[in-house]
Amino acid sequence: KNQVEQSPQSLIILEGKNCTLQCNYTVSPFSNLRWYKQDTGRGPVSLTIMTFSENTKSNGRYTATLDADTKQSSLHITASQLSDSASYICVVSDPGGSQGNLIFGKGTKLSVKP
Amino acid sequence: NAGVTQTPKFRVLKTGQSMTLLCAQDMNHEYMYWYRQDPGMGLRLIHYSVGEGTTAKGEVPDGYNVSRLKKQNFLLGLESAAPSQTSVYFCASSYVQSNQETQYFGPGTRLLVL
Repeated sequence: KNQVEQSPQSLIILEGKNCTLQCNYTVSPFSNLRWYKQDTGRGPVSLTIMTFSENTKSNGRYTATLDADTKQSSLHITASQLSDSASYICVVSDPGGSQGNLIFGKGTKLSVKP
Repeated sequence: NAGVTQTPKFRVLKTGQSMTLLCAQDMNHEYMYWYRQDPGMGLRLIHYSVGEGTTAKGEVPDGYNVSRLKKQNFLLGLESAAPSQTSVYFCASSYVQSNQETQYFGPGTRLLVL
């Protein structure tokens, strides 16, 4: 069964520090990999989308990397801010199916403390 | 643009009652989705639509029905609510450009079934 596993489940860091979130997937082949940010009580918001041929993509202080050979992705957050406190969700698109084939990870809950 | 809006924001139902959740988008997107999000689980797709007048089942469609009579609206119905349907429901819409899909989520509807 196609799966998307994220680690750690939760993370606490101090404001200003960097952190890296991990995503491992078994979806193969895949069309693209996305990272979403979900604030508490809100819907997810897209941060990055990478195709299988892309290795890295940035969006401000967020940088996503992708290693299609090892089926791993990471999201690196630089100089964290209190507003980065949220859940970060990794999503992999399976091209073999229809429009509905997005496989969501359970997310990593990040807390940034002052 | 209001983006993706959902009505209502919160609802309490008794077992066996019915209700309809409304999703509206003003971005002229072809694709629309209904997800549910439960604690400790990733978002799971209930139903989706690839265009006006079309609907398709997702991963967890049982107990739900949908309709897409107008391009901008996607309705999710619960005919006979059960406690297992207590969840947060998210609607999303998307478009495809350069072979990449960008998804926009609504703010969510919290449903409690007693």
